[in-house]
Amino acid sequence: KAGVTQTPRYLIKTRGQQVTLSCSPISGHRSVSWYQQTPGQGLQFLFEYFSETQRNKGNFPGRFSGRQFSNSRSEMNVSTLELGDSALYLCASSPTGDTQYFGPGTRLTVL
Amino acid sequence: QQQVKQSPQSLIVQKGGISIINCAYENTAFDYFPWYQQFPGKGPALLIAIRPDVSEKKEGRFTISFNKSAKQFSLHIMDSQPGDSATYFCAASLQGGSEKLVFGKGTKLTVNP
Repeated sequence: KAGVTQTPRYLIKTRGQQVTLSCSPISGHRSVSWYQQTPGQGLQFLFEYFSETQRNKGNFPGRFSGRQFSNSRSEMNVSTLELGDSALYLCASSPTGDTQYFGPGTRLTVL
Repeated sequence: QQQVKQSPQSLIVQKGGISIINCAYENTAFDYFPWYQQFPGKGPALLIAIRPDVSEKKEGRFTISFNKSAKQFSLHIMDSQPGDSATYFCAASLQGGSEKLVFGKGTKLTVNP
């Protein structure tokens, strides 16, 4: 089975811009979660989608949003980018239980 | 509030030695405790996981020990190899099948040849 794929792998944006990241889960997995990884804060949960519905949300500002499509693919959007948004954004998919499988991430740099 | 505390931050072990990484959690509602391994430039990969109804789980050279009363769990890597050099994260999630994982800060393991 193919693993979780994320596109793009690298992205450079400037402050104030917006960005959309994409995630394709493992075939058959209906849950997709997003995490932000930074050296200072570590891995932090952003949100989780299951069957196109947001089921869980982390403690991030409203500039961070996401959605899931009927084929379980997911996108996350960050509007009005700030320097502090520079991070590795990780997507993880899960069948329905606790086990989550991570993709390689999208490295976002905000200048 | 950090709900999962991981130590040490970094660890250097000689080839063939035992690597031990510890985690402590606060929320007694956590019921799933995975360990992830991450190499530079890669996403975290699930290594091994345990639930509170068992005190130990072993998979190959990797063992999780779980102490429910102390709210602690640890990862033991036996016969550590240079290829094990990576960052290890412990995590925990809540009952009810919530997909939200709460991660420790990570331990950078270096295994010297």
